[in-house]
Amino acid sequence: GAVVSQHPSRVICKSGTSVKIECRSLDFQATTMFWYRQFPKQSLMLMATSNEGSKATYEQGVEKDKFLINHASLTLSTLTVTSAHPEDSSFYICSAGNFGQGKGGANVLTFGAGSRLTVL
Amino acid sequence: QQQVKQSPQSLIVQKGGISIINCAYENTAFDYFPWYQQFPGKGPALLIAIRPDVSEKKEGRFTISFNKSAKQFSLHIMDSQPGDSATYFCAASKGQAGTALIFGKGTTLSVSS
Repeated sequence: GAVVSQHPSRVICKSGTSVKIECRSLDFQATTMFWYRQFPKQSLMLMATSNEGSKATYEQGVEKDKFLINHASLTLSTLTVTSAHPEDSSFYICSAGNFGQGKGGANVLTFGAGSRLTVL
Repeated sequence: QQQVKQSPQSLIVQKGGISIINCAYENTAFDYFPWYQQFPGKGPALLIAIRPDVSEKKEGRFTISFNKSAKQFSLHIMDSQPGDSATYFCAASKGQAGTALIFGKGTTLSVSS
């Protein structure tokens, strides 16, 4: 089945530094990847849609200069949290679209295991 | 405005019982309705999904019931087991390639032994 790898799984950084999170589709090509943010005991909130070779589309209220997304290849998207602050501490999860490959040609979104960011 | 409303927020079920989680959506353009299961510290995993051309889909102990006219769908977990204890999210999307999932707020299920 489709596998999405996310790295690192946990990262602790000092306030003001930048952190990069990688999302890789291991056994399929993903023209589209999605980045979500999840606070403790809350739902997944869509941050942005990442399309290979083009600029990401950000959801309303998400700072594009704070959360830099790059989707340079069909198997890799990266999220860089720039000048991180404690309020950026969260669980970041990516998902990749294995479109048309599910049962009956269904579109299946596979999620990575998530990255826990803690900003001190 | 929340596009996908999920209830209850939490649920406690005895082992062997039936767990029922409900969701309602507003956007009639949605045509793909998956349920995800998430364990603490892990990403969500697809459990089962349905499209609006069928009213029910069953996979093992998991069943989705879909009511297009009411814009509601529900997850039924039969013979609930302690290992089913997790957070469940319903979601919806327009289904075509490149469309993100919109998630409900989640239901924390605890199955007591």
